[in-house]
Amino acid sequence: SQTIHQWPATLVQPVGSPLSLECTVEGTSNPNLYWYRQAAGRGLQLLFYSVGIGQISSEVPQNLSASRPQDRQFILSSKKLLLSDSGFYLCAWSSGASVEQYFGPGTRLTVL
Amino acid sequence: AQSVTQPDIHITVSEGASLELRCNYSYGATPYLFWYVQSPGQGLQLLLKYFSGDTLVQGIKGFEAEFKRSQSSFNLRKPSVHWSDAAEYFCVVDGSGGGADGLTFGKGTHLIIQP
Repeated sequence: SQTIHQWPATLVQPVGSPLSLECTVEGTSNPNLYWYRQAAGRGLQLLFYSVGIGQISSEVPQNLSASRPQDRQFILSSKKLLLSDSGFYLCAWSSGASVEQYFGPGTRLTVL
Repeated sequence: AQSVTQPDIHITVSEGASLELRCNYSYGATPYLFWYVQSPGQGLQLLLKYFSGDTLVQGIKGFEAEFKRSQSSFNLRKPSVHWSDAAEYFCVVDGSGGGADGLTFGKGTHLIIQP
């Protein structure tokens, strides 16, 4: 069966520091991968998605970036965090043959 | 553009009572429809989905949802709630036919269970 992992589970970072969040999927090949941010009371916002290695689409202009160095690895990064980057970050995957997405456990990021 | 409305931000239900969470969507054709549940501090879990066919779909944990084309609705129901059902519920629409960027999320309904 497929599983999706995210780490770290929680992170507290100062403003201006860099960020790297990692997501990996097991048990499937060539998945579509997604990064979402969930801010309090605002639902989920799609940040990036990827349909293959090195292929990244950005949905929202911001100081975050994403990379997909391997088929089942998706990384969310920032060079300098802002206070507004605080939130709950969720990674998700879907197969090319299905529409539904499956979510990881999330990373709680607090920028101080 | 497609949109999803969950008109109830919070709903409080007594344990053992029935539940209905409302969802309305706006889209030109019939989209793919989903309900997800999120427990505090956790990721989202897929409860059920509707693509076509029978308009009453069964999901996990005793939940069901009914697609009503005439009302553009996809309401989630459960005949008897348990304390463990307390969570955030999201109605989700995909009008892109499976495109990678196609999901639109409602803002969620927070379900509170009273003893």
